[in-house]
Amino acid sequence: GQNIDQPTEMTATEGAIVQINCTYQTSGFNGLFWYQQHAGEAPTFLSYNVLDGLEEKGRFSSFLSRSKGYSYLLLKELQMKDSASYLCAVMDSNYQLIWGAGTKLIIKP
Amino acid sequence: NAGVTQTPKFRVLKTGQSMTLLCAQDMNHEYMYWYRQDPGMGLRLIHYSVGEGTTAKGEVPDGYNVSRLKKQNFLLGLESAAPSQTSVYFCASTWTSDTGELFFGEGSRLTVL
Repeated sequence: GQNIDQPTEMTATEGAIVQINCTYQTSGFNGLFWYQQHAGEAPTFLSYNVLDGLEEKGRFSSFLSRSKGYSYLLLKELQMKDSASYLCAVMDSNYQLIWGAGTKLIIKP
Repeated sequence: NAGVTQTPKFRVLKTGQSMTLLCAQDMNHEYMYWYRQDPGMGLRLIHYSVGEGTTAKGEVPDGYNVSRLKKQNFLLGLESAAPSQTSVYFCASTWTSDTGELFFGEGSRLTVL
C-alpha cells in the first residue's frame, strides 16, 4: 500500500529553527510537495521537490532523498504566524497525490 | 481575484437528506478535485475531473456523485447523507495532471446528524 508518515505535532520557539520530516512509500514517484494549512483554512502550496537535494525559498527549505524515501521541511527564524499544519504529499506513478496526515506546528514565544 | 470558491461554507444535514456543494474557479484550470479532510487523516480524494464533461472516481467515491457541466464549475452531490460523511470538504484545481501545485477553496464544513 501507499503510505506517508510525518509526526503528528511539534513544538518550537519563536526565532528558532524546526525540521519536519516526511517518509513515504508509494507506487512510483513524480514529486514531493509541502503545503501549509492554518487552522480552519485551505492548504496552500509551499514547495516542490522532484530531484534529490535542497530547495530553498526564503525562510523555508525542503530536502528530498528519493533513495531513502525521505523529505524534510526546514523552517528558519520561526514566527508566530508559522503556527500551522504542514502537509507532505507525494505524486505517484498515476499522477495522483497521496497525502500525509499533517504535522501540527506550535510556536511558543 | 476570487480563485477557487466553495459554497456553502457550513451546512448541517439530517441523515438521509441530500445536498450539493458547488465549486467555482476563475483560473481556467482543466483539472478539478474534491477532497475530504478528517482528523488524523490525510486529504482523501473523492472524485476528480480532467476537463469539462469528464469525471472520475478517486479513493473514496462511495455515497458521492459529481458533475462538471461547465469548465469553471465542479459540483459534489450527496444523495442520502450519512453521519460518516461528516467532514470538511475541499475543492481544488490546477492546470495539468503532472503538477502537484493545487489551488484550494476555503472548505465546506458538513455535519450530518
